[in-house]
Amino acid sequence: TQLLEQSPQFLSIQEGENLTVYCNSSSVFSSLQWYRQEPGEGPVLLVTVVTGGEVKKLKRLTFQFGDARKDSSLHITAAQPGDTGLYLCAGSSGAGSYQLTFGKGTKLSVIP
Amino acid sequence: DTGVSQDPRHKITKRGQNVTFRCDPISEHNRLYWYRQTLGQGPEFLTYFQNEAQLEKSRLLSDRFSAERPKGSFSTLEIQRTEQGDSAMYLCASSLARAGPRIPQNHYGYTFGSGTRLTVV
Repeated sequence: TQLLEQSPQFLSIQEGENLTVYCNSSSVFSSLQWYRQEPGEGPVLLVTVVTGGEVKKLKRLTFQFGDARKDSSLHITAAQPGDTGLYLCAGSSGAGSYQLTFGKGTKLSVIP
Repeated sequence: DTGVSQDPRHKITKRGQNVTFRCDPISEHNRLYWYRQTLGQGPEFLTYFQNEAQLEKSRLLSDRFSAERPKGSFSTLEIQRTEQGDSAMYLCASSLARAGPRIPQNHYGYTFGSGTRLTVV
């Protein structure tokens, strides 16, 4: 069974600070996605990374996929209250399966 | 197209009753997924359809759960003889499979609906 461990589980920071959250596994994934989820809503896709070592930027968010495709990180620069939410990483093993394996998420609170 | 729609948004039912949820995916998406999410956890895979064919089922999907996608459009998820442990958010998602070189599965990601929150009392 593939597992994704996310850290930290909770993070509370002041507006304007930078932060990094992590997603780690002992398994290799063919692709990895990051989602943000707000209370009572479904997750919203932020990015998909597919190549080992890949870096993608989405405004103030920078996503990196590890060289071995077993881990990923999300870095937020100058966090804003609108960044508050649950950040989930999800991996696809490929190999004929279309299901995603999700981590438990990092709950981020950005205090004004 | 307004995205993935789920109905109802909330459902409270007594233990032992049957419930049915509906999901309308994005119209041009050929793949549809059901996930379940409990408090403090990430979504867990339940089942997946490509068009009308149910191609994968999780071991979480006991014989009390059944999902259908007639005509490859909307999907329903039915839970029979509900138990308190079935209380969760049931999420539907859809995606578009495109053939192409060096495009891995799930490359385009999912679009999730807002979910159906089930409470079994």
